[in-house]
Amino acid sequence: QVQLVESGGGLVKSGESLRLSCSASGFTFSDYYLSWIRQSPGKGLEWISYISGSGSTISHADSVKGRFTISRDNAKNSLYLQMNSLRAEDTANYYCARLQTTPTWDAFDLWGQGTMVTVSS
Amino acid sequence: SSELTQDPAVSVALGQTVRITCHGDSLRTYYASWYQQKPGQAPVLVIYGKNNRPSGIPDRFSGSSSGNSASLTITGAQAEDEADYYCNSRDSSGNPLVFGGGTKLTVL
Repeated sequence: QVQLVESGGGLVKSGESLRLSCSASGFTFSDYYLSWIRQSPGKGLEWISYISGSGSTISHADSVKGRFTISRDNAKNSLYLQMNSLRAEDTANYYCARLQTTPTWDAFDLWGQGTMVTVSS
Repeated sequence: SSELTQDPAVSVALGQTVRITCHGDSLRTYYASWYQQKPGQAPVLVIYGKNNRPSGIPDRFSGSSSGNSASLTITGAQAEDEADYYCNSRDSSGNPLVFGGGTKLTVL
């Protein structure tokens, strides 16, 4: 079954760290870019990070640059998001998603169910 | 703030056609992708590229683009199409990927 399953969310205090994981199955993991996208309660979607299949290309949104780090372990079919110096505004449901990318379009064609991160101040 | 702008809300009568639009400078160069999100669920890709539908997406969903705008059209809207819809594309100002603010579709 082709799927992504996130884990690692929870309640933390401002300034603390958290590591999210995303486990993939049903497809050749190393062939795909992967991404983290978040959604604050009642708000829209915000792309925050992506990583290439080999891990050689990484990008983070300005809102998390310097605090969050995306990584992957292709041997374990797993994607990670290390989140440091968490702030109240980082409170959101965090989705991992598979990213198809071409010269003229990009598309998140597979999504996990999300894991909730709550940062208390 | 998002570099892609969408109308916050749109309504359509059952069985009628509705167009949801997305505006942004990057759309002059890159196609938008479109996502449907129902309450409590993860988003689902409905349109990508010039006008491509993933397997399982009904053919009443279609996409188009012109200038700095992209549109998602639902021809013959059904009750189950009531959802939030987001566009996504590249960003010309720094972040490589960006979502529009979303459009809440109500089917009357």
